[in-house]
Amino acid sequence: DSGVTQTPKHLITATGQRVTLRCSPRSGDLSVYWYQQSLDQGLQFLIQYYNGEERAKGNILERFSAQQFPDLHSELNLSSLELGDSALYFCASSVGFAGGNNEQFFGPGTRLTVL
Amino acid sequence: GEDVEQSLFLSVREGDSSVINCTYTDSSSTYLYWYKQEPGAGLQLLTYIFSNMDMKQDQRLTVLLNKKDKHLSLRIADTQTGDSAIYFCAETTDTGGFKTIFGAGTRLFVKA
Repeated sequence: DSGVTQTPKHLITATGQRVTLRCSPRSGDLSVYWYQQSLDQGLQFLIQYYNGEERAKGNILERFSAQQFPDLHSELNLSSLELGDSALYFCASSVGFAGGNNEQFFGPGTRLTVL
Repeated sequence: GEDVEQSLFLSVREGDSSVINCTYTDSSSTYLYWYKQEPGAGLQLLTYIFSNMDMKQDQRLTVLLNKKDKHLSLRIADTQTGDSAIYFCAETTDTGGFKTIFGAGTRLFVKA
């Protein structure tokens, strides 16, 4: 158990819909990361938050957005869903201080299926 | 820009050694990592190496770092069927802001 929790574990929805994925980081970790993993694209970094502020952006679509709340939990919002958005979405957390070992702890993932 | 590349698949026989390779582009990497993802689970850190080291050994795992060629490898001795998983290489860098970049992952198949 990494200490990172994600809900829900599975999500099935239809094209055009909007969903929210939730992540609680490990106690003490200030950075939260979101990744998308699909069979054809591998692991893709989406976005990182550090202590409530966006720190880095990866291959995140405009239809997707995220935020990190004052209690450090994070939500990833996916809207106007398409079939190709079906994937595993991972959240990870780390202490996040520059200059040190930035080991990331991954949650179990949310499997999103868009029908 | 920064990039981390790995081959997608590797197949070995049980009992043989596995060598998974990775190349990266950012010469200012500070830490390099190997993560393992078992089926249906999230990634988990296996081992890491600081950029001023050439080698790190941890039981069956040996990490080799060639900074000149920007090449990282993970050797698994006496590979077992339980080692079948996806292995991700990653680097932490301060270039353009502190961040960690992951490769796409190498899927290791271990044949009994």
